[in-house]
Amino acid sequence: KQEVTQIPAALSVPEGENLVLNCSFTDSAIYNLQWFRQDPGKGLTSLLLIQSSQREQTSGRLNASLDKSSGRSTLYIAASQPGDSATYLCVTSGGSYIPTFGRGTSLIVHP
Amino acid sequence: DGGITQSPKYLFRKEGQNVTLSCEQNLNHDAMYWYRQDPGQGLRLIYYSQIVNDFQKGDIAEGYSVSREKKESFPLTVTSAQKNPTAFYLCARSRWRGGRGETQYFGPGTRLLVL
Repeated sequence: KQEVTQIPAALSVPEGENLVLNCSFTDSAIYNLQWFRQDPGKGLTSLLLIQSSQREQTSGRLNASLDKSSGRSTLYIAASQPGDSATYLCVTSGGSYIPTFGRGTSLIVHP
Repeated sequence: DGGITQSPKYLFRKEGQNVTLSCEQNLNHDAMYWYRQDPGQGLRLIYYSQIVNDFQKGDIAEGYSVSREKKESFPLTVTSAQKNPTAFYLCARSRWRGGRGETQYFGPGTRLLVL
């Protein structure tokens, strides 16, 4: 059964720092990996989707990489802002078609 | 709203009562999903549906039931058999191509509380 782990569980940084959020998964036979953002008490907002054949995706200040062979994905956030404060979740989709979520990284960016 | 709505925002359940959470999408996507989120835990899949009149159990289907009579609607019933229903419930939609789902789009969620 797929297991997804996110490190760190929580992160607090000053504004302007470049950040790295990590996601690891045990079964490399995935179709895609997706990163989401969740604000407190809200639904999830899709940030980036990486197909299994891709190595990375970029959107604005966000860059996500995927290394299937090592079972890892990394979300880079450049020049962090207080508005980036949220929980970031990664999810894999594989042969079972059942998406598997990590527990998330709770990010606080303080001014 | 990202083309998917959930209602109500808050729902209160009495002991032994069945309650139904609504999920509607207007973008003609094939696949719909129901997740449960508890504090400090990741989302766990309850049920999912790839096409009308068909649905599959996820990891934690016990105590829940669903229907998919229309493409745009995927209601979730929390039955009295679910002994710990207090949680945040999220519905999602996605296209279904090549035998697998694509990007998921989530609704705003329903918070269920037990009286």
